[in-house]
Amino acid sequence: EPEVTQTPSHQVTQMGQEVILRCVPISNHLYFYWYRQILGQKVEFLVSFYNNEISEKSEIFDDQFSVERPDGSNFTLKIRSTKLEDSAMYFCASIGGSTEAFFGQGTRLTVV
Amino acid sequence: GQNIDQPTEMTATEGAIVQINCTYQTSGFNGLFWYQQHAGEAPTFLSYNVLDGLEEKGRFSSFLSRSKGYSYLLLKELQMKDSASYLCAVRGAAGNKLTFGGGTRVLVKP
Repeated sequence: EPEVTQTPSHQVTQMGQEVILRCVPISNHLYFYWYRQILGQKVEFLVSFYNNEISEKSEIFDDQFSVERPDGSNFTLKIRSTKLEDSAMYFCASIGGSTEAFFGQGTRLTVV
Repeated sequence: GQNIDQPTEMTATEGAIVQINCTYQTSGFNGLFWYQQHAGEAPTFLSYNVLDGLEEKGRFSSFLSRSKGYSYLLLKELQMKDSASYLCAVRGAAGNKLTFGGGTRVLVKP
């Protein structure tokens, strides 16, 4: 079964540092997403990406966040200057047809 | 905007049946998803409903009533490994993003 792949699985970074989270979506899918889940809280939408541009973003997705699809396969989320409250699980997801919406295994980001 | 409600926690006995309800109010509707999530892991796709009615997939079934803004996930013949959070998510009309409810933590007891 095709799957969404995320790297790294864990990332520890110092406050103020930049991090890049990577995702390889399912190859024939068209819509790509980043979500985050703070420990014990709900899964929150960050941003959606379609046709090589952002199609929607949430209030959480402020100027410190950016997304790219640099080479047609990888899909990255960059956090420019991390804050303690950015500590969370970050999930990449991709959607193909109407019924397929799959999540990667996530990156656990810890900001210290 | 989107508002999705589901109970916080449910407890059931191994071998029994549990029904997890989800109600939603959304500005558009393009399908409802159920996911299972074990602690520290990613959501795993369980089911998708876009038309009214019941979708059955093995021990899991999902029901949708669009007019009532209501869905449920039915778990039959509960097993200990079914102890997890179950997430209801709605796809709105635009952009195809999924908006999640807070999740229902199901504890299966022997």
